[in-house]
Amino acid sequence: EPEVTQTPSHQVTQMGQEVILRCVPISNHLYFYWYRQILGQKVEFLVSFYNNEISEKSEIFDDQFSVERPDGSNFTLKIRSTKLEDSAMYFCASRNILPGNYGYTFGSGTRLTVV
Amino acid sequence: AQKVTQAQTEISVVEKEDVTLDCVYETRDTTYYLFWYKQPPSGELVFLIRRNSFDEQNEISGRYSWNFQKSTSSFNFTITASQVVDSAVYFCAFHYGGSQGNLIFGKGTKLSVKP
Repeated sequence: EPEVTQTPSHQVTQMGQEVILRCVPISNHLYFYWYRQILGQKVEFLVSFYNNEISEKSEIFDDQFSVERPDGSNFTLKIRSTKLEDSAMYFCASRNILPGNYGYTFGSGTRLTVV
Repeated sequence: AQKVTQAQTEISVVEKEDVTLDCVYETRDTTYYLFWYKQPPSGELVFLIRRNSFDEQNEISGRYSWNFQKSTSSFNFTITASQVVDSAVYFCAFHYGGSQGNLIFGKGTKLSVKP
């Protein structure tokens, strides 16, 4: 069964540093997402991406965040200058466009720790 | 605005008890999709079920069953004869906005099944 792959599984970074979280969505999927889950809290929508541009973003997704699909297979989330409160699990997800088939496939997540 | 409410923050049961996890949603959309995900202690999001707004048939999968009622905007999840391995956080989620839409999550219910 196709999977969404996220790397790295864990990342520790110093406050103020830039991080890039990587995702390889399922190859025939067209919609891509990043979600965030602070420890013990709900899964929060960050951003959706379709047709090489952002479709929707949440209030969390401020100027410190950016997404890119640089080569047609990878989908990346960049945090320019990390803050302590960016520590969370970040999930990538993808889905296809088939009517009636809004199944989202999630990656296993990247646990980001900002120290 | 779309909203998913899981009023039960934590539930604790003894093995073999039945348990129902509640989910209530708010939307003005006529077409939408509802999901349940399981998040075990390892952290990944495990897809359990998807339901579209036109299909109110209840579904049973082994010890799991789902009761979708549009009249009360509810999509409840019942585990029959619970087992210790069912211990996890369970998230109800809602897809809105048609093909361009996104998935939003409830706050989750932490289920603890004690031997």
